[in-house]
Amino acid sequence: GAGVSQSPRYKVAKRGQDVALRCDPISGHVSLFWYQQALGQGPEFLTYFQNEAQLDKSGLPSDRFFAERPEGSVSTLKIQRTQQEDSAVYLCASSLDRSSATDTQYFGPGTRLTVL
Amino acid sequence: AQSVTQLDSQVPVFEEAPVELRCNYSSSVSVYLFWYVQYPNQGLQLLLKYLSGSTLVESINGFEAEFNKSQTSFHLRKPSVHISDTAEYFCARGNGGFKTIFGAGTRLFVKA
Repeated sequence: GAGVSQSPRYKVAKRGQDVALRCDPISGHVSLFWYQQALGQGPEFLTYFQNEAQLDKSGLPSDRFFAERPEGSVSTLKIQRTQQEDSAVYLCASSLDRSSATDTQYFGPGTRLTVL
Repeated sequence: AQSVTQLDSQVPVFEEAPVELRCNYSSSVSVYLFWYVQYPNQGLQLLLKYLSGSTLVESINGFEAEFNKSQTSFHLRKPSVHISDTAEYFCARGNGGFKTIFGAGTRLFVKA
């Protein structure tokens, strides 16, 4: 079956622009995670959804970052007024159950954001 | 703060040689440990995980990791590597909540 997909795969933005990154999780997966992966680093947790409810957004680095999953399936990560330090690969992952951190997470290919 | 430390950023090894990728985690009452692999131009995939029970866990492609509570380690080993094992390997932990904390990754280069 289809895995997690993300679009766009690559995004170049000028500093100050707003961007929206999309994640299509595996159908039926309850949990959805967003991560930020800087060059040479491991993924860092941004936020977690259980269906449409955003249960943890403690990893969002500033109020310029906003995520939503209005119907409990597709999710969008929005970054307003992008800064150069926002340049990273943004990963989305989904898992079947609510048990979240113990459940297997399935990752998308990521969106590489470059802010000039 | 909870953390995961991968002690080697790069590990070069010859084909058919054994390999160990090291991972240490900060101690906690409950800990769940994972190894993920990222092949070139692909997304992260779960390789194996420790939740409870037997401290030795194995993957389908010959990797194994041992949970060592006294040394707070979860090193990944394979007795004989293949060229196709060339990838980046991430050690990660969860604490039963929503967050998974990843190490910085170890790039494994398998040379012919």
